[in-house]
Amino acid sequence: NAGVMQNPRHLVRRRGQEARLRCSPMKGHSHVYWYRQLPEEGLKFMVYLQKENIIDESGMPKERFSAEFPKEGPSILRIQQVVRGDSAAYFCASSPDRDYGYTFGSGTRLTVV
Amino acid sequence: SQQGEEDPQALSIQEGENATMNCSYKTSINNLQWYRQNSGRGLVHLILIRSNEREKHSGRLRVTLDTSKKSSSLLITASRAADTASYFCATDAGGGGNKLTFGTGTQLKVEL
Repeated sequence: NAGVMQNPRHLVRRRGQEARLRCSPMKGHSHVYWYRQLPEEGLKFMVYLQKENIIDESGMPKERFSAEFPKEGPSILRIQQVVRGDSAAYFCASSPDRDYGYTFGSGTRLTVV
Repeated sequence: SQQGEEDPQALSIQEGENATMNCSYKTSINNLQWYRQNSGRGLVHLILIRSNEREKHSGRLRVTLDTSKKSSSLLITASRAADTASYFCATDAGGGGNKLTFGTGTQLKVEL
């Protein structure tokens, strides 16, 4: 079992471009979560998804950010028209059900220049 | 201040000593979890303790939970240099969302 796979590991985008971050959960895990970590800070919840459904997106900025977890394929976190403040590490995690610990991916480090 | 605050922010000890980290939170919870993060890496789940549990062990780790004080502690016994990392507590407030709220972490350094 390869664990939670995130790609790319590092992503550099110019201001105004789009960033697409991918996450493949562990085999058998149907719950996916995205978190953002700014330097020297803890993780901040963004969105919780199950297959084809957004369960909780209370941590997502109202504009430019979207997430999906289609029936087939990885979960995608999309950031449109990136700004410097979007620079952060974005972590994806998965779990088999509620009330279980998460398994985290290694993260995608987004740098906006 | 945010849900899930760790204390101390940083801790430096000698190999072989015990390390204790504390976490306080504000709202009622379904469970509390501890994670470790090595520099530049993802988080690794260490232990989950449910709101009706008071203590849990896993290897050299011991976690306690006091829901009346809204606090938890993580004890690492006989620390090793490889334990050097940041440690985060995270609370699940329940409500079906399974959303975790993380604290800002304790940076542990174990010196030889």
